[in-house]
Amino acid sequence: NAGVTQTPKFRILKIGQSMTLQCTQDMNHNYMYWYRQDPGMGLKLIYYSVGAGITDKGEVPNGYNVSRSTTEDFPLRLELAAPSQTSVYFCASSSPRGATDTQYFGPGTRLTVL
Amino acid sequence: AQKITQTQPGMFVQEKEAVTLDCTYDTSDPSYGLFWYKQPSSGEMIFLIYQGSYDQQNATEGRYSLNFQKARKSANLVISASQLGDSAMYFCAMKLGGGSNYKLTFGKGTLLTVNP
Repeated sequence: NAGVTQTPKFRILKIGQSMTLQCTQDMNHNYMYWYRQDPGMGLKLIYYSVGAGITDKGEVPNGYNVSRSTTEDFPLRLELAAPSQTSVYFCASSSPRGATDTQYFGPGTRLTVL
Repeated sequence: AQKITQTQPGMFVQEKEAVTLDCTYDTSDPSYGLFWYKQPSSGEMIFLIYQGSYDQQNATEGRYSLNFQKARKSANLVISASQLGDSAMYFCAMKLGGGSNYKLTFGKGTLLTVNP
């Protein structure tokens, strides 16, 4: 299993541009998450999904949108990039069936907005 | 609201020695889970160990153990026999139980440096 994969690994955007960060998991997990990590900080939840067709806001959703059309994929959309969105973005997935409900993370996407 | 505090921005340890990374948490929910993740310089987040609030024994995973003191609301990570590859950022995180099992709240992390 590849686990959680994310593309791209790095991206530089200009202010006002748009992009989609891709996330795919092959563990058949129902739950998927998007986090951002600012320098020197822990992760903060942007959006999450408990299954295909179901998404909800996390702690810092402004400026982002998500969709979940399949169990495997959970893309994150930035519509009008701003310098404040410069961060490292992590996608994660988990299965609520397990006792621990451990979240497994992808390798991250480093985004710079100039 | 739940909160995770890691008071040690950085820690140093000699190779082969043990080190304890501190984590305290705050929640009024009786059901919760505590996690430790490792983030090496390459950036990925690696799951290390988990402790449930109702678990009677401290969790252990190889060289990692979790010193869980429920009354003090602390969940310290102990790494025994440190290795150079243990140099990394370490994050403590908490998840509430019940129907709200969607969110991990992270601390700010501790940067561990293992010296040869």
